[in-house]
Amino acid sequence: DFQLTQSPSFLSASVGDRVTITCRASQGIGNYLAWYQQKPGKAPNLLIYTASTLQSGVPSRFSGSRSGTEFTLTISSLQPEDFATYFCQQLNTYPPTTFGQGTRLEIK
Amino acid sequence: QVRLVQSGAEVKKPGASVKVSCKASGYPFATNYIHWVRQAPGQGLEWLGSINPSGGATFYAQRLQGRVTMTRETPTTTVYMELSSLRSDDTAIYYCAKDLGVGVNVGYDYWGQGTLVTVSP
Repeated sequence: DFQLTQSPSFLSASVGDRVTITCRASQGIGNYLAWYQQKPGKAPNLLIYTASTLQSGVPSRFSGSRSGTEFTLTISSLQPEDFATYFCQQLNTYPPTTFGQGTRLEIK
Repeated sequence: QVRLVQSGAEVKKPGASVKVSCKASGYPFATNYIHWVRQAPGQGLEWLGSINPSGGATFYAQRLQGRVTMTRETPTTTVYMELSSLRSDDTAIYYCAKDLGVGVNVGYDYWGQGTLVTVSP
């Protein structure tokens, strides 16, 4: 069975920090991976698609990369509005598509 | 501007059905898949299925096969998701979302506001 493992589940960081969140796929998925940010009570917001393409309107401090089956979301310098939950999503095996378990990013 | 507007909150009894609507506007309705995703309280995101508004082809999550039906109404640019035989663990916020891709699924760039479905005796 296909597995998409997101880590860490919880991350505590300070404004200005550089943070990375990782998703690892159990098999090759090409570049078919997206990243979302979700704030409490709101729908998810697309940040990155096809592993490294920045969605229109998303600040350039967000970036995505791929190394084999490991995908990374990096926030270069955390801003107060970045504290939220982040999800990855693989779309290569669609259907179905799979979401990662989520990373809750909190202020230290 | 692109908008997806969903119907309001529902409270249902176990065994009942619920039908949630999602009205799309601001873009060519037939161009992009519409997906349904749900989120149980305090939990992650679960893909339920998708519909291609051009032709109506549907794809459902295997664990919901037989309980979920997605349809579209082209004249009103509205997509529907019906879930039957409701159980308490179907309690969640249900979202519709538009795919950014045309002819390929790459990510969901616009989302509805969410519809809370509560299943309670």
